[in-house]
Amino acid sequence: AAGVIQSPRHLIKEKRETATLKCYPIPRHDTVYWYQQGPGQDPQFLISFYEKMQSDKGSIPDRFSAQQFSDYHSELNMSSLELGDSALYFCASSLENRWGHSNTGELFFGEGSRLTVL
Amino acid sequence: KNEVEQSPQNLTAQEGEFITINCSYSVGISALHWLQQHPGGGIVSLFMLSSGKKKHGRLIATINIQEKHSSLHITASHPRDSAVYICAVAYSNYQLIWGAGTKLIIKP
Repeated sequence: AAGVIQSPRHLIKEKRETATLKCYPIPRHDTVYWYQQGPGQDPQFLISFYEKMQSDKGSIPDRFSAQQFSDYHSELNMSSLELGDSALYFCASSLENRWGHSNTGELFFGEGSRLTVL
Repeated sequence: KNEVEQSPQNLTAQEGEFITINCSYSVGISALHWLQQHPGGGIVSLFMLSSGKKKHGRLIATINIQEKHSSLHITASHPRDSAVYICAVAYSNYQLIWGAGTKLIIKP
């Protein structure tokens, strides 16, 4: 069965460069979440999208932006990279509860994209 | 203060033992997820609960909405069960609040 696909799996950048991470949700899933997990830290929610619109925003720096496209894949764009941006970036997808606005759909996670900023 | 509390933080057991990991949360939720993270980082969703109990193979997850508490049980534990187990709760918005995780080591 198709899973959540993230690319690239590993990325090495230098300070002040830009990076783009991609997430392809499970087919027919309409909700995508992005999380950042620094070394030895809990995952932090960055941002989520439902039906191609931003649905919620967490601790995403202003240097980062994201969007969800018409095919439901999402991209996380990171500019002016800093050493502290080195982390594992997870994407998860779900199908929103169509009877309400709360998300009770089961989550499926990608393997993550490991960004190293030198 | 983290709104999701997991215990224990670390657990080492012998192969075959029955394992219980607990999760408590502070306010009403729409769903609770149990996740498994292996070394290297990949996360696997084990269960999503909004009430009652679910079972998958040797894994059992329960939730008590009134007590705001959930447990993850592993029967006949095996070294391949060694991982970090994370409880994450979903509120009415689209965010997940993650627990700190329980690092489980099963020794042969």
